[in-house]
Amino acid sequence: EPEVTQTPSHQVTQMGQEVILRCVPISNHLYFYWYRQILGQKVEFLVSFYNNEISEKSEIFDDQFSVERPDGSNFTLKIRSTKLEDSAMYFCASSEFTLKGTGELFFGEGSRLTVL
Amino acid sequence: RKEVEQDPGPFNVPEGATVAFNCTYSNSASQSFFWYRQDCRKEPKLLMSVYSSGNEDGRFTAQLNRASQYISLLIRDSKLSDSATYLCVVARMDSSYKLIFGSGTRLLVRP
Repeated sequence: EPEVTQTPSHQVTQMGQEVILRCVPISNHLYFYWYRQILGQKVEFLVSFYNNEISEKSEIFDDQFSVERPDGSNFTLKIRSTKLEDSAMYFCASSEFTLKGTGELFFGEGSRLTVL
Repeated sequence: RKEVEQDPGPFNVPEGATVAFNCTYSNSASQSFFWYRQDCRKEPKLLMSVYSSGNEDGRFTAQLNRASQYISLLIRDSKLSDSATYLCVVARMDSSYKLIFGSGTRLLVRP
């Protein structure tokens, strides 16, 4: 069964350092997402991406965040200068969304980011 | 007001019990509705979509009331493996299609 894969599974970094989280979405999917979940809290939307550009971003997704699809398979989330409050699980998701589809998002296993 | 509200629980039930979760959503423009399941420190996984006519998948039954903006999930004959957090999720089309998650209801099924 096709799946979304994410690396690394866990990253520990010092405050102020740059972090890149990587995702390989399901190959025939066109819509890509990043969500985050702070420990004990709900899953929150960060950004959606389609046709090589950001479709929508949340208030959380400030200038410290960026996304990129550098080649035909990877989808990355970069945090330029990490803060303590960036510590969370970051989930990548993809969808083949069409108006006739189920609308399901398929999630990767997540990248746990710990900022010290 | 939260866009998707759920009772956080936990619901602590014996094996074999029937348990019901409720959820309300505030945005009437919400288009699609889902229940996702999340195990501890794992990714959310789709349990089932929710349709206006109601739908059933084995021991799981989901209902949607658009007029009341209310979604429910019923689990019959609970198994130990049902222990997880159940996430009520609505989909909306703004600048893009996206899912909005509730905070989840935790279920513990005991032997």
